[in-house]
Amino acid sequence: AQSVTQPDIHITVSEGASLELRCNYSYGATPYLFWYVQSPGQGLQLLLKYFSGDTLVQGIKGFEAEFKRSQSSFNLRKPSVHWSDAAEYFCAVGASFGNEKLTFGTGTRLTIIP
Amino acid sequence: GAGVSQSPSNKVTEKGKDVELRCDPISGHTALYWYRQSLGQGLEFLIYFQGNSAPDKSGLPSDRFSAERTGGSVSTLTIQRTQQEDSAVYLCASSEATGLAGAREQFFGPGTRLTVL
Repeated sequence: AQSVTQPDIHITVSEGASLELRCNYSYGATPYLFWYVQSPGQGLQLLLKYFSGDTLVQGIKGFEAEFKRSQSSFNLRKPSVHWSDAAEYFCAVGASFGNEKLTFGTGTRLTIIP
Repeated sequence: GAGVSQSPSNKVTEKGKDVELRCDPISGHTALYWYRQSLGQGLEFLIYFQGNSAPDKSGLPSDRFSAERTGGSVSTLTIQRTQQEDSAVYLCASSEATGLAGAREQFFGPGTRLTVL
């Protein structure tokens, strides 16, 4: 069965500083990987996804993530955060064949301080 | 175009009552999913519909939970005899059929916040 671990429950970063949110997955084959963001009172918005090809993927709002098979990781990064990035971030894994459902991590809450 | 819509946005009910939650997927999307987001928890898969295939009900937590999808579009999630532990945000998502097997990009609705008193 697939699983996702987001080891950081809460991260605080100063505005303008760089950001890295960690995600580790477990899946028997090459996974499909996703990062979603959830702002307070909002639904989930897809930031970026990895299906195949280039292991460094670019997303919206200046985010990027790198798929590292050897480390079973898919960490999310942003070089300079903005106050509007404060939100909850979820990493998710999906099967590359068959089962359609996504398995989500428990999320990382990001706080931005001035 | 319009995104995934859900109704109601909030629902407060008494323990033991039945509730129905509605989801309107993006037009043309053949796949529809229900997830549950409880306080302090991640998102938990509940059920998945794909076209005319039998739904994947493997995530439903008990037989009090059921869902149907009429005409391949609108879906209703029904919780019978609600319990306090059913309190959560219920999220619906849809995706298009790309012809590829496996997970596809899912578009989420705003959710229904269910509170069971």
